[in-house]
Amino acid sequence: EAQVTQNPRYLITVTGKKLTVTCSQNMNHEYMSWYRQDPGLGLRQIYYSMNVEVTDKGDVPEGYKVSRKEKRNFPLILESPSPNQTSLYFCASGKGGGEKLFFGSGTQLSVL
Amino acid sequence: GQQVMQIPQYQHVQEGEDFTTYCNSSTTLSNIQWYKQRPGGHPVFLIQLVKSGEVKKQKRLTFQFGEAKKNSSLHITATQTTDVGTYFCAGGGTYKYIFGTGTRLKVLA
Repeated sequence: EAQVTQNPRYLITVTGKKLTVTCSQNMNHEYMSWYRQDPGLGLRQIYYSMNVEVTDKGDVPEGYKVSRKEKRNFPLILESPSPNQTSLYFCASGKGGGEKLFFGSGTQLSVL
Repeated sequence: GQQVMQIPQYQHVQEGEDFTTYCNSSTTLSNIQWYKQRPGGHPVFLIQLVKSGEVKKQKRLTFQFGEAKKNSSLHITATQTTDVGTYFCAGGGTYKYIFGTGTRLKVLA
């Protein structure tokens, strides 16, 4: 089954404790991206990747890191989480070039 | 930078009533996509519009792309409780997808 898999589904952590949210897709998509969803603000793009080893900043990259060492995986790293990073995070993948996106199930992150 | 605004932010309708959400971009879009997110779920792709003035239908849903390719609308005829959710438009660039703020639809039975 074609899917984008995110883990964990829920995460509660404390300020400053490094964490990684994993994302994996099985559709051989070149394009992957991370979004955060906050009430009233919609989906805002954090980082995206056009292919292996090629990444670029979205609209809200501060406080986040990404890497794309393999085509299928695109982890999101918060090296020193802060409470303003409490949010619902979605990973998405697609063929690129403006084609439709497939989203993961989301990760609800709470930073205390 | 490029912004995509959606109105209204919330809409409550009685089952059977029609519903429309509007999407407006500050710049010309190469295409527009629409997604639906059910409560507690993730966004799911509905449709993509590419041509100026394009109109597409999916059963009770009608999607329109403006002539200037800066606005779009989604109209649902005779809403049902299964239409509940948040509808997002997204300006599809080559790699940067700019999502609208979303319209949250509640349908009262």
